[in-house]
Amino acid sequence: AQSVSQHNHHVILSEAASLELGCNYSYGGTVNLFWYVQYPGQHLQLLLKYFSGDPLVKGIKGFEAEFIKSKFSFNLRKPSVQWSDTAEYFCAVNALNNAGNMLTFGGGTRLMVKP
Amino acid sequence: EAQVTQNPRYLITVTGKKLTVTCSQNMNHEYMSWYRQDPGLGLRQIYYSMNVEVTDKGDVPEGYKVSRKEKRNFPLILESPSPNQTSLYFCASRRTAQYEQYFGPGTRLTVT
Repeated sequence: AQSVSQHNHHVILSEAASLELGCNYSYGGTVNLFWYVQYPGQHLQLLLKYFSGDPLVKGIKGFEAEFIKSKFSFNLRKPSVQWSDTAEYFCAVNALNNAGNMLTFGGGTRLMVKP
Repeated sequence: EAQVTQNPRYLITVTGKKLTVTCSQNMNHEYMSWYRQDPGLGLRQIYYSMNVEVTDKGDVPEGYKVSRKEKRNFPLILESPSPNQTSLYFCASRRTAQYEQYFGPGTRLTVT
């Protein structure tokens, strides 16, 4: 079965600091990869996704992620965070030959940005 | 507006009292699923449905039931809720051929 690991459970940064959140998955076949964000009290929203092509994916609000197949990783980055980026971030993986097309989520990383 | 709706948003109940959480989507999506979110565990899939009358278990189906009689609705049923089902529940939908999921606003359930 596929699994997704997010190494940092809590991250605290000051505004304008750079952000990188790690995501690793365990599945040897073809995958679709996602990052979702959950702002306090809200539902999950898609930040960005990777299906195929350029492994460097740009999403909303200045976020980007890089798919490194050899490392089974899909790390999320932002050059300069803002207070409004305070949220919980979830990496998710969909194995394409999974009969149920289940989307497997990581445990989440809670980001706090200090003004 | 394209959306997934859930009701109720908040529910406090007692052990053993049957409850249903409704989920509805207006995007004509084939695929719908239910997740529960618990601190440190991320989202875990409870059940999913690939189309009308087609449902299957996810990672944590014990204690839950679902039905998919219509394309737009996918209710989650707890026949005899227990305190370990206290959680935040999300419904989601997507087209089968596309993998971006749209999430509902969540239902916070407390079972005492």
